[in-house]
Amino acid sequence: NAGVTQTPKFQVLKTGQSMTLQCAQDMNHEYMSWYRQDPGMGLRLIHYSVGAGITDQGEVPNGYNVSRSTTEDFPLRLLSAAPSQTSVYFCASSSGKNYEQYFGPGTRLTVT
Amino acid sequence: GEDVEQSLFLSVREGDSSVINCTYTDSSSTYLYWYKQEPGAGLQLLTYIFSNMDMKQDQRLTVLLNKKDKHLSLRIADTQTGDSAIYFCAETDSNYQLIWGAGTKLIIKP
Repeated sequence: NAGVTQTPKFQVLKTGQSMTLQCAQDMNHEYMSWYRQDPGMGLRLIHYSVGAGITDQGEVPNGYNVSRSTTEDFPLRLLSAAPSQTSVYFCASSSGKNYEQYFGPGTRLTVT
Repeated sequence: GEDVEQSLFLSVREGDSSVINCTYTDSSSTYLYWYKQEPGAGLQLLTYIFSNMDMKQDQRLTVLLNKKDKHLSLRIADTQTGDSAIYFCAETDSNYQLIWGAGTKLIIKP
């Protein structure tokens, strides 16, 4: 089991560029989430999915899109990168709402 | 809205006990969690407590829950250098989403 994998580990973008952060899990988890982590703040939920074909917005969804075409994959798309999106992004999965969340290693994104 | 608060730093001597505190606002939380984040890594579940419990012990870890004061603490006995990390407190809101604290960085002094 690889668990939750994320690519890339690091990325630098210019303002206005778009990109997709990849997330995959091999634990057959229904629940997947994307968080951003900023210094001095807790994790903030961007988008989440309760199963293939079902996604919903979290606390800070603006500027991000997600899709869930398979159970395994949950990519996060930045439509037009802004410096305010400089952050560390974590993908997580779990088998249920109150179950342990398994986190990927994170993607450190810098937008200049 | 719901909020979870923690101190940002805690410094302890190796071998002493560490006590990391957390306050939360959502009285309907069913589970409260402690996650650990080591440098450059994702978060990992350390322990959790169900809201109808007052205490949970797991080896060197003791979790205390005071529902009246909405206060959660994590005690690490005999703190070791490997315990250096950021510790996050989290509660579940009424939609079962996790609400996270900002994390407490535990610094171990030799």
